[in-house]
Amino acid sequence: EAEVAQSPRYKITEKSQAVAFWCDPISGHATLYWYRQILGQGPELLVQFQDESVVDDSQLPKDRFSAERLKGVDSTLKIQPAELGDSAMYLCASSLDWDTGELFFGEGSRLTVL
Amino acid sequence: AQSVTQPDIHITVSEGASLELRCNYSYGATPYLFWYVQSPGQGLQLLLKYFSGDTLVQGIKGFEAEFKRSQSSFNLRKPSVHWSDAAEYFCAVGAGTGANNLFFGTGTRLTVIP
Repeated sequence: EAEVAQSPRYKITEKSQAVAFWCDPISGHATLYWYRQILGQGPELLVQFQDESVVDDSQLPKDRFSAERLKGVDSTLKIQPAELGDSAMYLCASSLDWDTGELFFGEGSRLTVL
Repeated sequence: AQSVTQPDIHITVSEGASLELRCNYSYGATPYLFWYVQSPGQGLQLLLKYFSGDTLVQGIKGFEAEFKRSQSSFNLRKPSVHWSDAAEYFCAVGAGTGANNLFFGTGTRLTVIP
């Protein structure tokens, strides 16, 4: 069964360091999402791509966060510099298109900032 | 602005008992509504969705949900809970850029006791 792949699963870093997360969506899925899930809360959308274009990044803290999907396939989310409040699970999801009503989530990358 | 309220943070039920998880939403237009489940160490999985039509929606794993516009609710139900149903359940509303732009509630953790 096709899955959304994410790496690393776990990342521990010190504040002010740079960190990057990678996501490989299900083959053929045009839409890709990055969500942040703080412990005890629901996922919050950071950025949405349609192919290689950003559709929505209104909740992405652009002073320190960046995301790209250069070839419209896999994607990277970067944080520089990391802050203590960035500790969370970073979830990647993909869907066939932007209006199908079903997102497929990866297992997530758990970030701890010390 | 949209919002989703899941009033129960944690619910414990006995195996074989019935289950109802509550979800209330606030959204100005006709909502797209979803329930996702997150098992420990895994990504979120779609249980069911409501776009339009029949207000009683059937999903996977024996779950169903009923959309009640007058109450702004989309409660999840299952007639007989299995131990494998223990997980975190998230209600979500689709808003903004298409049905896939999900706004999640804070989740309800389900514990199943023998």
